[in-house]
Amino acid sequence: QVQLQQSGPGLVKPSQTLSLTCAISGDSVSSNGAAWHWIRQSPSRGLEWLGRTYYRSKWFNDYAVSVKSRITINPDTSKNQFSLQLNSVTPEDTAVYYCAGSVATPGNWAFDIWGQGTMVTVSS
Amino acid sequence: DIQMTQSPSSLSASVGDRVTITCRASQSISSYLNWYQQKPGRAPNLLIYAASSLQSGVPSRFSGSGSGTDFTLTISSLQPEDFATYYCQQSYSTLLTFGQGTKVEIK
Repeated sequence: QVQLQQSGPGLVKPSQTLSLTCAISGDSVSSNGAAWHWIRQSPSRGLEWLGRTYYRSKWFNDYAVSVKSRITINPDTSKNQFSLQLNSVTPEDTAVYYCAGSVATPGNWAFDIWGQGTMVTVSS
Repeated sequence: DIQMTQSPSSLSASVGDRVTITCRASQSISSYLNWYQQKPGRAPNLLIYAASSLQSGVPSRFSGSGSGTDFTLTISSLQPEDFATYYCQQSYSTLLTFGQGTKVEIK
């Protein structure tokens, strides 16, 4: 079955870049029909979708308006993983970050696979 | 962005009760509505997709209905393991959004 394994630091200083990686097993990051997302959760903002990457003969990315100027999601086909970079972080970016996949529900951007979550704190 | 509003924000119920949670979209989303269950310290888990399709492995006491702007998640007979927070999520728009959640607590 498909599994996602997250990695990355749990503490980031203000104004620096938050970087997380999500390794995929049981499927391919280049799978036609799948999509790979980053989502975060905080008490103040609830569950917030940040963006996704997916391959349909070429690569596509979509980003939430709230972070569009600061976010990059990149696929890495050589390692079968995808990454999140969020620039210029502030304490408001403190949250649990999840990677997720839309794998088993073609044509519907439902999150049927989730990583384990990473608590990221933005603090000096 | 499409706004998703759930009601109630929380409810208290007993084992065996029938529980209904509603989700309203700020514009029509056809049947592009998904439901998740989240327990403390865990990632959300997909229950229902496309408004009424039961995700593989999810008990049949969970069901979903609705289309357009109004949707419902029903638990036909609440079990001890169902006490959790439930979220709706629209997948109609390019930009995906969640409801604020409904916490189901033990009465």
